[in-house]
Amino acid sequence: QQQVKQSPQSLIVQKGGISIINCAYENTAFDYFPWYQQFPGKGPALLIAIRPDVSEKKEGRFTISFNKSAKQFSLHIMDSQPGDSATYFCAGTKLVFGAGTILRVKS
Amino acid sequence: NAGVTQTPKFQVLKTGQSMTLQCAQDMNHEYMSWYRQDPGMGLRLIHYSVGAGITDQGEVPNGYNVSRSTTEDFPLRLLSAAPSQTSVYFCASSRRGALSGLGYGYTFGSGTRLTVV
Repeated sequence: QQQVKQSPQSLIVQKGGISIINCAYENTAFDYFPWYQQFPGKGPALLIAIRPDVSEKKEGRFTISFNKSAKQFSLHIMDSQPGDSATYFCAGTKLVFGAGTILRVKS
Repeated sequence: NAGVTQTPKFQVLKTGQSMTLQCAQDMNHEYMSWYRQDPGMGLRLIHYSVGAGITDQGEVPNGYNVSRSTTEDFPLRLLSAAPSQTSVYFCASSRRGALSGLGYGYTFGSGTRLTVV
Protein backbone atom coordinates (compact mmCIF):
# COMPACT_ATOMS: atom_id res chain seq x y z
CA GLN A 1 0.00 0.00 0.00
CA GLN A 2 2.49 2.54 -1.28
CA GLN A 3 1.06 5.96 -0.56
CA VAL A 4 4.09 7.59 -2.13
CA LYS A 5 5.03 6.69 -5.72
CA GLN A 6 8.56 7.53 -6.77
CA SER A 7 10.11 7.61 -10.25
CA PRO A 8 12.34 6.71 -11.94
CA GLN A 9 13.62 3.50 -10.35
CA SER A 10 17.12 4.26 -11.57
CA LEU A 11 18.87 7.18 -13.20
CA ILE A 12 22.23 7.69 -14.88
CA VAL A 13 23.48 11.26 -15.25
CA GLN A 14 26.72 12.68 -16.57
CA LYS A 15 28.91 14.67 -14.19
CA GLY A 16 27.75 18.27 -14.19
CA GLY A 17 24.25 17.41 -15.33
CA ILE A 18 20.92 17.81 -13.55
CA SER A 19 19.36 14.83 -11.77
CA ILE A 20 15.59 14.93 -11.33
CA ILE A 21 13.62 12.50 -9.18
CA ASN A 22 9.86 12.71 -8.84
CA CYS A 23 7.42 11.70 -6.16
CA ALA A 24 3.62 11.60 -6.15
CA TYR A 25 1.58 11.26 -3.01
CA GLU A 26 -2.03 10.33 -2.36
CA ASN A 27 -2.67 11.30 1.23
CA THR A 28 -3.66 14.96 1.34
CA ALA A 29 -3.01 14.90 5.08
CA PHE A 30 0.73 14.83 4.34
CA ASP A 31 2.26 18.09 5.45
CA TYR A 32 5.97 17.43 5.42
CA PHE A 33 7.88 16.18 2.39
CA PRO A 34 11.45 15.03 2.96
CA TRP A 35 14.07 13.42 0.78
CA TYR A 36 16.56 10.95 2.16
CA GLN A 37 19.94 9.93 0.74
CA GLN A 38 21.38 6.45 1.29
CA PHE A 39 24.90 5.30 0.46
CA PRO A 40 25.69 1.58 0.13
CA GLY A 41 25.95 -0.13 3.49
CA LYS A 42 24.55 2.86 5.36
CA GLY A 43 21.19 3.88 6.69
CA PRO A 44 19.21 6.65 4.97
CA ALA A 45 19.98 10.20 6.07
CA LEU A 46 17.74 13.25 5.83
CA LEU A 47 18.86 15.37 2.87
CA ILE A 48 16.30 18.15 2.47
CA ALA A 49 12.62 18.67 3.28
CA ILE A 50 9.80 21.04 2.40
CA ARG A 51 6.46 22.03 3.89
CA PRO A 52 3.47 22.55 1.58
CA ASP A 53 3.19 26.29 2.25
CA VAL A 54 6.18 26.91 -0.04
CA SER A 55 6.68 25.83 -3.65
CA GLU A 56 10.45 25.51 -3.65
CA LYS A 57 13.33 25.06 -1.23
CA LYS A 58 16.99 25.17 -2.14
CA GLU A 59 19.98 23.98 -0.13
CA GLY A 60 23.22 24.19 -2.05
CA ARG A 61 22.94 22.04 -5.17
CA PHE A 62 19.75 20.35 -3.94
CA THR A 63 16.30 21.80 -4.63
CA ILE A 64 12.82 20.52 -3.80
CA SER A 65 9.96 21.67 -5.99
CA PHE A 66 6.44 21.17 -4.65
CA ASN A 67 3.19 21.17 -6.62
CA LYS A 68 0.29 20.91 -4.21
CA SER A 69 -2.47 20.81 -6.82
CA ALA A 70 -0.80 17.93 -8.64
CA LYS A 71 0.19 16.25 -5.36
CA GLN A 72 3.76 15.92 -6.56
CA PHE A 73 7.18 16.97 -5.37
CA SER A 74 10.57 16.53 -6.94
CA LEU A 75 14.25 16.61 -6.07
CA HIS A 76 16.65 18.40 -8.40
CA ILE A 77 20.39 17.91 -8.03
CA MET A 78 22.26 20.59 -9.94
CA ASP A 79 25.83 20.07 -11.17
CA SER A 80 25.60 16.38 -10.24
CA GLN A 81 28.83 14.84 -8.95
CA PRO A 82 30.02 11.21 -8.72
CA GLY A 83 29.79 11.60 -4.92
CA ASP A 84 26.03 12.09 -5.32
CA SER A 85 25.71 8.48 -6.51
CA ALA A 86 23.35 6.94 -3.97
CA THR A 87 19.78 5.79 -3.48
CA TYR A 88 17.26 8.56 -2.88
CA PHE A 89 13.95 8.14 -1.10
CA CYS A 90 11.04 10.50 -0.89
CA ALA A 91 8.74 10.25 2.07
CA GLY A 92 5.54 11.64 3.47
CA THR A 93 4.39 11.90 7.01
CA LYS A 94 2.88 8.86 8.68
CA LEU A 95 6.18 7.00 8.29
CA VAL A 96 5.75 6.05 4.59
CA PHE A 97 8.58 6.03 2.04
CA GLY A 98 8.81 5.77 -1.72
CA ALA A 99 10.45 2.76 -3.37
CA GLY A 100 13.71 4.60 -3.97
CA THR A 101 15.73 5.84 -6.97
CA ILE A 102 19.25 4.58 -7.61
CA LEU A 103 21.28 7.48 -8.98
CA ARG A 104 24.58 6.95 -10.70
CA VAL A 105 26.62 9.96 -11.79
CA LYS A 106 29.18 9.12 -14.45
CA SER A 107 32.48 10.97 -14.39
CA ASN B 1 26.33 11.01 21.06
CA ALA B 2 26.05 7.70 19.18
CA GLY B 3 22.65 8.35 17.53
CA VAL B 4 20.84 5.10 16.65
CA THR B 5 22.81 1.92 17.28
CA GLN B 6 21.77 -1.40 15.78
CA THR B 7 23.22 -4.81 16.61
CA PRO B 8 24.20 -7.15 15.13
CA LYS B 9 25.31 -5.81 11.74
CA PHE B 10 25.07 -9.22 10.09
CA GLN B 11 23.21 -12.39 11.02
CA VAL B 12 22.52 -15.74 9.41
CA LEU B 13 19.63 -17.78 10.78
CA LYS B 14 18.21 -21.17 9.97
CA THR B 15 14.53 -21.42 9.15
CA GLY B 16 12.50 -21.67 12.33
CA GLN B 17 15.07 -20.06 14.60
CA SER B 18 14.18 -16.98 16.62
CA MET B 19 16.29 -13.94 17.37
CA THR B 20 16.15 -10.34 18.53
CA LEU B 21 17.51 -7.38 16.62
CA GLN B 22 18.60 -4.68 19.02
CA CYS B 23 18.07 -0.94 18.57
CA ALA B 24 19.09 1.80 20.97
CA GLN B 25 19.07 5.59 20.65
CA ASP B 26 20.60 8.21 22.92
CA MET B 27 18.80 11.29 21.60
CA ASN B 28 15.78 11.02 23.90
CA HIS B 29 13.54 10.60 20.85
CA GLU B 30 9.95 9.66 21.53
CA TYR B 31 9.29 7.92 18.22
CA MET B 32 11.05 4.74 17.13
CA SER B 33 10.30 2.47 14.21
CA TRP B 34 11.53 -0.60 12.36
CA TYR B 35 11.75 -0.87 8.58
CA ARG B 36 12.83 -3.60 6.24
CA GLN B 37 14.49 -2.78 2.94
CA ASP B 38 14.22 -5.09 -0.03
CA PRO B 39 15.34 -4.39 -3.63
CA GLY B 40 12.70 -2.43 -5.52
CA MET B 41 10.42 -2.27 -2.46
CA GLY B 42 11.85 0.73 -0.69
CA LEU B 43 11.49 0.96 3.07
CA ARG B 44 8.49 -0.83 4.49
CA LEU B 45 7.33 -0.13 8.02
CA ILE B 46 7.16 -3.17 10.30
CA HIS B 47 6.27 -1.74 13.72
CA TYR B 48 6.55 1.62 15.38
CA SER B 49 6.30 3.18 18.83
CA VAL B 50 5.31 6.68 19.90
CA GLY B 51 6.64 6.27 23.40
CA ALA B 52 7.56 3.80 26.13
CA GLY B 53 4.86 1.19 26.54
CA ILE B 54 3.12 2.07 23.26
CA THR B 55 3.60 0.13 20.02
CA ASP B 56 1.61 -0.29 16.84
CA GLN B 57 1.76 -2.28 13.63
CA GLY B 58 3.00 -0.95 10.34
CA GLU B 59 2.60 -2.24 6.80
CA VAL B 60 4.32 -5.64 7.20
CA PRO B 61 4.08 -6.75 10.86
CA ASN B 62 3.51 -10.50 10.44
CA GLY B 63 6.25 -12.65 11.93
CA TYR B 64 7.67 -9.83 14.06
CA ASN B 65 7.12 -8.66 17.63
CA VAL B 66 8.24 -5.49 19.38
CA SER B 67 8.14 -3.98 22.84
CA ARG B 68 9.18 -0.59 24.20
CA SER B 69 9.95 -0.77 27.90
CA THR B 70 12.27 2.27 27.86
CA THR B 71 12.58 5.38 25.73
CA GLU B 72 16.04 4.29 24.56
CA ASP B 73 15.45 0.71 23.38
CA PHE B 74 13.17 -0.82 20.76
CA PRO B 75 14.06 -4.47 20.03
CA LEU B 76 12.57 -6.38 17.11
CA ARG B 77 11.91 -10.10 17.62
CA LEU B 78 11.65 -12.65 14.86
CA LEU B 79 9.53 -15.43 16.27
CA SER B 80 10.23 -18.21 13.75
CA ALA B 81 12.50 -17.06 10.96
CA ALA B 82 11.49 -17.71 7.35
CA PRO B 83 13.46 -17.18 4.12
CA SER B 84 11.00 -14.39 3.22
CA GLN B 85 12.42 -12.43 6.15
CA THR B 86 15.83 -12.22 4.49
CA SER B 87 16.31 -8.46 4.27
CA VAL B 88 18.13 -5.45 5.61
CA TYR B 89 16.48 -4.08 8.73
CA PHE B 90 16.69 -0.46 9.78
CA CYS B 91 15.71 1.11 13.04
CA ALA B 92 14.86 4.83 13.06
CA SER B 93 13.97 7.40 15.68
CA SER B 94 12.51 10.88 15.70
CA ARG B 95 11.28 13.59 17.97
CA ARG B 96 7.62 13.81 18.87
CA GLY B 97 5.63 15.35 16.05
CA ALA B 98 7.19 13.41 13.20
CA LEU B 99 3.95 11.53 12.62
CA SER B 100 1.97 14.75 12.41
CA GLY B 101 4.42 16.40 10.09
CA LEU B 102 6.03 18.94 12.35
CA GLY B 103 9.13 18.75 10.27
CA TYR B 104 11.29 16.38 12.24
CA GLY B 105 13.31 13.98 10.17
CA TYR B 106 14.16 10.45 11.12
CA THR B 107 17.60 9.34 12.25
CA PHE B 108 18.40 5.85 10.99
CA GLY B 109 20.76 3.23 12.29
CA SER B 110 23.27 1.58 9.98
CA GLY B 111 21.17 -1.54 9.55
CA THR B 112 21.23 -5.28 10.20
CA ARG B 113 21.64 -7.57 7.21
CA LEU B 114 19.72 -10.76 7.95
CA THR B 115 19.86 -13.93 5.89
CA VAL B 116 17.52 -16.84 6.62
CA VAL B 117 18.54 -20.15 5.08
